[in-house]
Amino acid sequence: GQQLNQSPQSMFIQEGEDVSMNCTSSSIFNTWLWYKQDPGEGPVLLIALYKAGELTSNGRLTAQFGITRKDSFLNISASIPSDVGIYFCAGQGVGNEKLTFGTGTRLTIIP
Amino acid sequence: GAGVSQSPRYKVAKRGQDVALRCDPISGHVSLFWYQQALGQGPEFLTYFQNEAQLDKSGLPSDRFFAERPEGSVSTLKIQRTQQEDSAVYLCASSYQQGLMNTEAFFGQGTRLTVV
Repeated sequence: GQQLNQSPQSMFIQEGEDVSMNCTSSSIFNTWLWYKQDPGEGPVLLIALYKAGELTSNGRLTAQFGITRKDSFLNISASIPSDVGIYFCAGQGVGNEKLTFGTGTRLTIIP
Repeated sequence: GAGVSQSPRYKVAKRGQDVALRCDPISGHVSLFWYQQALGQGPEFLTYFQNEAQLDKSGLPSDRFFAERPEGSVSTLKIQRTQQEDSAVYLCASSYQQGLMNTEAFFGQGTRLTVV
């Protein structure tokens, strides 16, 4: 099945660093979502974006819905140990309930 | 409970065996989704229910996969004659509707299926 292109695939950073990841699609989406998944758990929604160009923050997280509606990015500022996990973008089309997920970005914090 | 509950958490099946995976959505949630997540990949859509109606089953990989939600609450995903490529985590998610829009979907912990 289709998966969105997400980069980078993995990141190794030190605590306190900022993180940036992005997601691109060949298709237009009406909604972009960012999820975090911990081992053995289901994805948990972090941020939802509903309008092209929208920039939304949730604490240390900031995400943007690209103008072309084919891309989105997520930034995490001042990373902390609990940020470790796998981050997924997901797109939702018009009148289409299903989510199309990205390939994931694995975030590791080096002590 | 307050969240989406899936059972069993882990299932080991011999190749050719039939399996049934259960999802208890959050009470009152109209919409229910099944996703398949292979190791190291993102979740991939399988099927979607609105109440008891299966509105989209375009993601089911073969006719060995069957999902039902007869009373609009609990759902079961059945896989017949399991194959090794069916090994994955199966995630269920539910959401309620405001007007025509689905709100945030909440995911369960998933069932990890291993076919040996």
